Amino acid sequence: DAGVIQSPRHEVTEMGQEVTLRCKPISGHDYLFWYRQTMMRGLELLIYFNNNVPIDDSGMPEDRFSAKMPNASFSTLKIQPSEPRDSAVYFCASSLGGLLAKNIQYFGAGTRLSVL
Amino acid sequence: DAKTTQPPSMDCAEGRAANLPCNHSTISGNEYVYWYRQIHSQGPQYIIHGLKNNETNEMASLIITEDRKSSTLILPHATLRDTAVYYCIVSGGGADGLTFGKGTHLIIQP
Repeated sequence: DAGVIQSPRHEVTEMGQEVTLRCKPISGHDYLFWYRQTMMRGLELLIYFNNNVPIDDSGMPEDRFSAKMPNASFSTLKIQPSEPRDSAVYFCASSLGGLLAKNIQYFGAGTRLSVL
Repeated sequence: DAKTTQPPSMDCAEGRAANLPCNHSTISGNEYVYWYRQIHSQGPQYIIHGLKNNETNEMASLIITEDRKSSTLILPHATLRDTAVYYCIVSGGGADGLTFGKGTHLIIQP
């Protein structure tokens, strides 16, 4: 298996533009997670899905952020409008079902977002 | 989820065993200890997890004290590629996701 695939790897955009990050989880995994990592705040969980349904979005910073999972093999994280403080590395992770296996997560390589 | 405490950084000589401590004094009975690591510019990588018994896999060993208030991750023969930030996380596997702290920056010296 190719692992969790994220695209793009790098994104540079201007303030106010819409940004869409993409993730393909490992086939057969039931859970999908979106994290954000910055120097100041470390690695933060933004939202996670179980069987394509959002379960916990309490980490989403504000309404400018939205995430969707239209099917088991694809998810998007959208920021509209983007702001410089959104600059970070965004990671997607997936895991198998079951409360214990849920925490054995496989991470993608991340998308480095720079908002100018 | 229980909070964990780790030293911010540690050094270890290449070829020696690296022992990374973690305190989790408020851990509850149904919570597991998970270890992840993050090599520079990569996504975090799962290493090992345990409840109360010691665990070993191809990457590392996990030693959990009898009272479960602390644990140690052991990399038996550290290599330069083991230089990374190591995260100790306690979770009961419920609806909450993983909470990553600041971790321990392990530097393997040649």
